[in-house]
Amino acid sequence: TQLLEQSPQFLSIQEGENLTVYCNSSSVFSSLQWYRQEPGEGPVLLVTVVTGGEVKKLKRLTFQFGDARKDSSLHITAAQPGDTGLYLCAGALGGAQKLVFGQGTRLTINP
Amino acid sequence: EAGVTQSPTHLIKTRGQQATLRCSPISGHTSVYWYQQALGLGLQFLLWYDEGEERNRGNFPPRFSGRQFPNYSSELNVNALELEDSALYLCASSSGQGATDTQYFGPGTRLTVL
Repeated sequence: TQLLEQSPQFLSIQEGENLTVYCNSSSVFSSLQWYRQEPGEGPVLLVTVVTGGEVKKLKRLTFQFGDARKDSSLHITAAQPGDTGLYLCAGALGGAQKLVFGQGTRLTINP
Repeated sequence: EAGVTQSPTHLIKTRGQQATLRCSPISGHTSVYWYQQALGLGLQFLLWYDEGEERNRGNFPPRFSGRQFPNYSSELNVNALELEDSALYLCASSSGQGATDTQYFGPGTRLTVL
């Protein structure tokens, strides 16, 4: 059983379209992080959200942490081919000092 | 500032052998984490070291072990290798300031067991 359910697992859209990736759990996290991973490389941190209801923006990417700190979403506006990659959400369980990862969303933006 | 480094980049072993993977954290970071990323399974937490001690362990058999050295670098050892151990092994480091601390990842070691 996956502690963090990430959806969709695969997404292929055209350049210029918008998309949203979801990360859901029944557990409460002290923080949640979003990473992007390229083939053959380690995950690169995009953002950390800590407060319930928090919204962070990174250019065309908008990250939201749910009010109850159990879920999060990543919204990309006007997707570009450079956004292609594996997007991973990871929740920090309070006091456990370990990250629990979702399965990842493999995103492909077609020119 | 140098990021997390890992060696070797690739490692090929046969079943039953032992593998040793190495990780150097970002300068100033005291915590090192190890994860296994098998194909289609996402990242699975293996081990967490902080200040030279093992602080937490994931749901892996005892043949997965490691240590952290006084300079905070770390080693992951996998004994009696099995075919299912083939995966990308990722190391991450953090400043160890608390549960909201950010982890920064290295490029990984691709282990192939034949």
